[in-house]
Amino acid sequence: AQKVTQAQTEISVVEKEDVTLDCVYETRDTTYYLFWYKQPPSGELVFLIRRNSFDEQNEISGRYSWNFQKSTSSFNFTITASQVVDSAVYFCALSGVGGTSYGKLTFGQGTILTVHP
Amino acid sequence: NAGVTQTPKFRVLKTGQSMTLLCAQDMNHEYMYWYRQDPGMGLRLIHYSVGEGTTAKGEVPDGYNVSRLKKQNFLLGLESAAPSQTSVYFCASSSKQGSSNQPQHFGDGTRLSIL
Repeated sequence: AQKVTQAQTEISVVEKEDVTLDCVYETRDTTYYLFWYKQPPSGELVFLIRRNSFDEQNEISGRYSWNFQKSTSSFNFTITASQVVDSAVYFCALSGVGGTSYGKLTFGQGTILTVHP
Repeated sequence: NAGVTQTPKFRVLKTGQSMTLLCAQDMNHEYMYWYRQDPGMGLRLIHYSVGEGTTAKGEVPDGYNVSRLKKQNFLLGLESAAPSQTSVYFCASSSKQGSSNQPQHFGDGTRLSIL
């Protein structure tokens, strides 16, 4: 069975602070995909990143960066110089590959990030 | 750019009533999914479909039925609504491209309250 754990239920920061959202996963699959989604107050789910288990390179996209460490089964997400618009619920998710996975996602519980001006 | 459209957006039901949530996607995606989102629990998969005429159970299927008569539509039914089914329901779709799992595209959600 797959499991995704986001240890932080809520995080509150002041604008311009850096913030890291933790994600730890469990899977028996040797190949898998990891995702991060953002859910702003408006409620929709916005795809942020997809990473396959073969690629352990860290990724940076603007103020966002992701640190994937297979050895510790973690896929952490850092926002640099946070802004009020970053306030949202962030979800980490896991999917198997091929076979009967069919892209099904196992989500973590979500982390509520509040950025204060 | 419709993407994934869910109807209705809000609904209030009484216990025991039935209803159907409709999901439509215009991206020609093979895979479609229904999730429910409850506070503190993230999103959990109810049912999914890997193609027209095919459906399968997810993590929390009890009390729900689904149908996919057309590739673009995925219906979620509640035959006899219960207060425990009060939740926000999300439909999603994704493309089948070999073994690389494509990101799922989500609808805006349906907020359902069962009294």
